[in-house]
Amino acid sequence: AQSVTQPDIHITVSEGASLELRCNYSYGATPYLFWYVQSPGQGLQLLLKYFSGDTLVQGIKGFEAEFKRSQSSFNLRKPSVHWSDAAEYFCAVGRNQAGTALIFGKGTTLSVSS
Amino acid sequence: DTGVSQNPRHKITKRGQNVTFRCDPISEHNRLYWYRQTLGQGPEFLTYFQNEAQLEKSRLLSDRFSAERPKGSFSTLEIQRTEQGDSAMYLCASSKTQGILNTEAFFGQGTRLTVV
Repeated sequence: AQSVTQPDIHITVSEGASLELRCNYSYGATPYLFWYVQSPGQGLQLLLKYFSGDTLVQGIKGFEAEFKRSQSSFNLRKPSVHWSDAAEYFCAVGRNQAGTALIFGKGTTLSVSS
Repeated sequence: DTGVSQNPRHKITKRGQNVTFRCDPISEHNRLYWYRQTLGQGPEFLTYFQNEAQLEKSRLLSDRFSAERPKGSFSTLEIQRTEQGDSAMYLCASSKTQGILNTEAFFGQGTRLTVV
């Protein structure tokens, strides 16, 4: 069955420290992978996406993610976290570029300490 | 372009009542999606439309749920005979397709339903 696993429910990092959020997927075909961020009271915002090609993708707000097919992973990274990055982050897999019928992970809540 | 708009933002209803939510997608977006998000979970796909045609429905969409997009613009999601288990955030998203090209899906802020 298709699924997305985000092993970390909650992560706290210090402002200025680096961040890595883990995502593992199970998908029978070529996956289209996405990372979304959700701030309180806000809709989901797309950070980045991977369809094909270079396995290291750059997104908005200084985020990047690396697709590793051998590990079925698509981990999100940021070299230096800002307090405004505190939010909930969702990894998702879809059947196509538009993300039709996305399958989301349960999310990782990021807290940033000063 | 004001983004995806959902109304109401919050709805409290008594068990057994019917509720209807509205979603206005970004103009010219021909695809519209409904998701449900419960506390501590990621969004779960419910259904999607391309123009006015409902192309896919999740098995999560029980017979009490119905979605429409009559003119290919706004969409409504109705839940009949609400149950406490229906309490969730209902998210709408839209995207634009042109041939084989697709934009990302843009999400609205959601409608939070509480069934008491």
